[in-house]
Amino acid sequence: KQEVTQIPAALSVPEGENLVLNCSFTDSAIYNLQWFRQDPGKGLTSLLLIQSSQREQTSGRLNASLDKSSGRSTLYIAASQPGDSATYLCAVIGTGFQKLVFGTGTRLLVSP
Amino acid sequence: DARVTQTPRHKVTEMGQEVTMRCQPILGHNTVFWYRQTMMQGLELLAYFRNRAPLDDSGMPKDRFSAEMPDATLATLKIQPSEPRDSAVYFCASDLIIRGTLINRTPSGNTIYFGEGSWLTVV
Repeated sequence: KQEVTQIPAALSVPEGENLVLNCSFTDSAIYNLQWFRQDPGKGLTSLLLIQSSQREQTSGRLNASLDKSSGRSTLYIAASQPGDSATYLCAVIGTGFQKLVFGTGTRLLVSP
Repeated sequence: DARVTQTPRHKVTEMGQEVTMRCQPILGHNTVFWYRQTMMQGLELLAYFRNRAPLDDSGMPKDRFSAEMPDATLATLKIQPSEPRDSAVYFCASDLIIRGTLINRTPSGNTIYFGEGSWLTVV
């Protein structure tokens, strides 16, 4: 059974800092890995998707990397802003089925 | 701007009452997911449908939960009778999956869209 873990559970940084969120998964047979953002009281918004054959994806100030063999992914946020404050979740889809298995999330607070 | 619509957004009900949550997936999407989110368990998959057929409902308590897709524009999740431990946020999500692969179309590379959730409190 796939298990996804995110560390840290919560993170507080001052504006402008670069930061890294970590995600690990137990079964390396994944189809892809995705990073989502969830704002309080809202649903999830997809940020980045990395196919199993890829090593990284970039979107603006966000960069996600994937090391499938070690079961790890990182989300790098450059020059953090207060608007980045949210919960960030990673999720994987296994090769045998099309349902996302989510991590427990990292709650990020960026203070002005 | 395509989006998944869920109703009700908030529901407070007494233990034992029936609760029905509704979801309108994005037009053209053929896969619908129901997730439940709690502080303790995070996001858990309850059930999902492909082309209106249930593919997996193993995450759902069978004795009180039921999920259906009466037509391509409506998915329902029903709890009868409801219990306080059912208090959670219930998310519906839709996606387009063809021949077992994910079709990546959005700038983020993902076609899965989540609704804003139905916040259920059972007292």
